[in-house]
Amino acid sequence: AQSVSQHNHHVILSEAASLELGCNYSYGGTVNLFWYVQYPGQHLQLLLKYFSGDPLVKGIKGFEAEFIKSKFSFNLRKPSVQWSDTAEYFCASTNFGNEKLTFGTGTRLTIIP
Amino acid sequence: NAGVTQTPKFRVLKTGQSMTLLCAQDMNHEYMYWYRQDPGMGLRLIHYSVGEGTTAKGEVPDGYNVSRLKKQNFLLGLESAAPSQTSVYFCASSYSRRGGSYNEQFFGPGTRLTVL
Repeated sequence: AQSVSQHNHHVILSEAASLELGCNYSYGGTVNLFWYVQYPGQHLQLLLKYFSGDPLVKGIKGFEAEFIKSKFSFNLRKPSVQWSDTAEYFCASTNFGNEKLTFGTGTRLTIIP
Repeated sequence: NAGVTQTPKFRVLKTGQSMTLLCAQDMNHEYMYWYRQDPGMGLRLIHYSVGEGTTAKGEVPDGYNVSRLKKQNFLLGLESAAPSQTSVYFCASSYSRRGGSYNEQFFGPGTRLTVL
């Protein structure tokens, strides 16, 4: 069965700091990868997704993620975070032809003004 | 275009009571999903549907039933609620696969359920 690991459970940063959240997936075949964000009290929204092609994917709000197949990783990055980035971030994967997403346990990000 | 909506937003039940959560989408999506979100466990798939009249079990289906009588609606039922079902429930929908690529899931606002 697929699994997605997010090793950072809670990250606290100051505004303008750089961010990198880790995500590792287990499936060895063709994989689709996603990062979702959940702002306090809101539903999940898609930040970015990777299907194929350029392994560096750019999403909304200045976020990007890099797919590194050899490391089974899809880490999320942002060069300079803002207070409004305070949220919970979920990495998710699905393998080709599968309708179901497998989510990681999430990383809570707190930005200190 | 409302996207994915869920009713109710909040509910408190006593152990043994039953209830139905309603999810509706107006995007003509084929696939619909029910998840539960618990602290430290991320989102776990309860049941899903790949089309009207079809449903399938997800990762944590026990204690829940679902129905997809209309394409736009996906109902989640709890026949006899238990405290372990206290959670936030999210519905999601997505297009069917096109050309082999996977389409993103769109999520509803969630239902916070407490079982006493």
